[in-house]
Amino acid sequence: DQQVKQNSPSLSVQEGRISILNCDYTNSMFDYFLWYKKYPAEGPTFLISISSIKDKNEDGRFTVFLNKSAKHLSLHIVPSQPGDSAVYFCAAVIIQGAQKLVFGQGTRLTINP
Amino acid sequence: NAGVTQTPKFRVLKTGQSMTLLCAQDMNHEYMYWYRQDPGMGLRLIHYSVGEGTTAKGEVPDGYNVSRLKKQNFLLGLESAAPSQTSVYFCASSYSRQGARYSYEQYFGPGTRLTVT
Repeated sequence: DQQVKQNSPSLSVQEGRISILNCDYTNSMFDYFLWYKKYPAEGPTFLISISSIKDKNEDGRFTVFLNKSAKHLSLHIVPSQPGDSAVYFCAAVIIQGAQKLVFGQGTRLTINP
Repeated sequence: NAGVTQTPKFRVLKTGQSMTLLCAQDMNHEYMYWYRQDPGMGLRLIHYSVGEGTTAKGEVPDGYNVSRLKKQNFLLGLESAAPSQTSVYFCASSYSRQGARYSYEQYFGPGTRLTVT
């Protein structure tokens, strides 16, 4: 049972426009949500996170929105740049115990010049 | 400060062979994790450790064993490799502390690409 889902395997956006990546979850016990970015042949790198008690967190060009009632979060990148082309993973964590991350399937973002 | 390193980067095994993947971190993290990444499935947790001498099963532990004899090292073993274990393996580590400003970030190594024929 996939607790964290990214239903769009790929997304193509023009440079300078907004990229919106979506993520849905089923477990209401998740306390924190993270976004990771992954380039080919490299490990995932942390991008931004949000606590379940907030509905928005912003860091430069990246903003994450959380809608707890809909069990949905989204990552907005604006403006999109060619270096943003990567696979983006949404992850969720229950903070009790070992803080295990549950990952979505990933969305491949391509920024076109 | 190298962060999280993994050895080897690539490996090809024949069915039934065994091998050990080594993960090392120099950030004094308490927690360490092993994941596998397969196409269309994201990263799935194999085993994890909350401290030296402790290990626990994750989501997909079958066919793997782990050991954490030193705080900075986390070993993943395949005793009898199967083609279904062809994957990219990632090690990660994190702090155990919690707090208002803590992000629960895990730091990942560069991965080991394993092919079992």
